[in-house]
Amino acid sequence: GENVEQHPSTLSVQEGDSAVIKCTYSDSASNYFPWYKQELGKRPQLIIDIRSNVGEKKDQRIAVTLNKTAKHFSLHITETQPEDSAVYFCAASIGNSGGSNYKLTFGKGTLLTVNP
Amino acid sequence: GAVVSQHPSRVICKSGTSVKIECRSLDFQATTMFWYRQFPKQSLMLMATSNEGSKATYEQGVEKDKFLINHASLTLSTLTVTSAHPEDSSFYICSAQYAGGYNEQFFGPGTRLTVL
Repeated sequence: GENVEQHPSTLSVQEGDSAVIKCTYSDSASNYFPWYKQELGKRPQLIIDIRSNVGEKKDQRIAVTLNKTAKHFSLHITETQPEDSAVYFCAASIGNSGGSNYKLTFGKGTLLTVNP
Repeated sequence: GAVVSQHPSRVICKSGTSVKIECRSLDFQATTMFWYRQFPKQSLMLMATSNEGSKATYEQGVEKDKFLINHASLTLSTLTVTSAHPEDSSFYICSAQYAGGYNEQFFGPGTRLTVL
């Protein structure tokens, strides 16, 4: 089955700096890669996702890049703010439009701390 | 849109009792629902996948007789933890997918189970 590795496990940055979290996956058939932000005791919130037909996607301060050849994808957060502090999870899934029942395999998470 | 609720949000029970957790999709029909367990400072671990009207598919190592899953309608799935023990204490989160939703999962707010 799919295996997702995530690094680093903890990341501390100064407010305004950039943060980068990297993930690798094992199954070359995976084609959907979401990123979630989870605050303590809360549900995971989808912050950005990318599909295998795209190499990069950006949404304001957040961007995700995907390298299918190397089977890795990364989350980039620019101009970090204290409210960005949370645990971030990457995930991978196999599937296509019109279908369902596609399970996600999660990375182990990265605890991001943004120091004011 | 795509709102998922869970009930209860917190439950404390005595060892040996059974606990039922409900997961509802409020504004869409969920053809597939997933149940996850998350221990403190760990990632989400998929327990089982359930499709409306059919038996759940359990992940390796998850006891199907202990974690009973029912997905009787397109908007409701239930997880029953039978004969709960302290080691079952965890954060249980459900998610839902709809057909044509292209892999995306919508997460419930989670249920904190504490077994005394």
